[in-house]
Amino acid sequence: ETGVTQTPRHLVMGMTNKKSLKCEQHLGHNAMYWYKQSAKKPLELMFVYSLEERVENNSVPSRFSPECPNSSHLFLHLHTLQPEDSALYLCASSQEEGDPWETQYFGPGTRLLVL
Amino acid sequence: GDSVTQMEGPVTLSEEAFLTINCTYTATGYPSLFWYVQYPGEGLQLLLKATKADDKGSNKGFEATYRKETTSFHLEKGSVQVSDSAVYFCALRGRAGGTSYGKLTFGQGTILTVHP
Repeated sequence: ETGVTQTPRHLVMGMTNKKSLKCEQHLGHNAMYWYKQSAKKPLELMFVYSLEERVENNSVPSRFSPECPNSSHLFLHLHTLQPEDSALYLCASSQEEGDPWETQYFGPGTRLLVL
Repeated sequence: GDSVTQMEGPVTLSEEAFLTINCTYTATGYPSLFWYVQYPGEGLQLLLKATKADDKGSNKGFEATYRKETTSFHLEKGSVQVSDSAVYFCALRGRAGGTSYGKLTFGQGTILTVHP
């Protein structure tokens, strides 16, 4: 595997279900991100992890719970979601060394549908 | 706060036509600017970037010049192909530290469709 991978690619869940999204980066990066992409809206940054510590949480509802057990893996745990949470969830990684032009590398995303 | 505004799409062109997608931004200081592309069913890929005023980013025939005086970073290509059909996102990254750590601010995206 190369780059950033995400599983599953598609997920359908009911509002009472609990599920998890997984992201893995094979690039040796030290920072990972979760973004939400909804139709007709700009990408929204949800969480940022640097060296496995959360450094940013953009007022995301508590029904989304991130976990970063090591620098290569990032999870997004989902519970009691709402239909408006249906979106494409994108994971990204980068090597943060203090420069503002570090490139973020994105995974293919998980398409989530909440019924 | 930081913001990015892209021209609304969708944009529909014939093959070999000239492409311009406008992007303007609002940011404090001197941000870095990026264009990302998203092909159907895929994640975002970096297309090009520029890190300071008057820099020109280029890749795969696409170009964009960082214009500080007009706060713009318009994407251009002289001759588009069917394979360029995708969604294009303009983005910026501010140079302030603290809570903007690692944060990219994206425009809403412009859908480009190129017909043979």
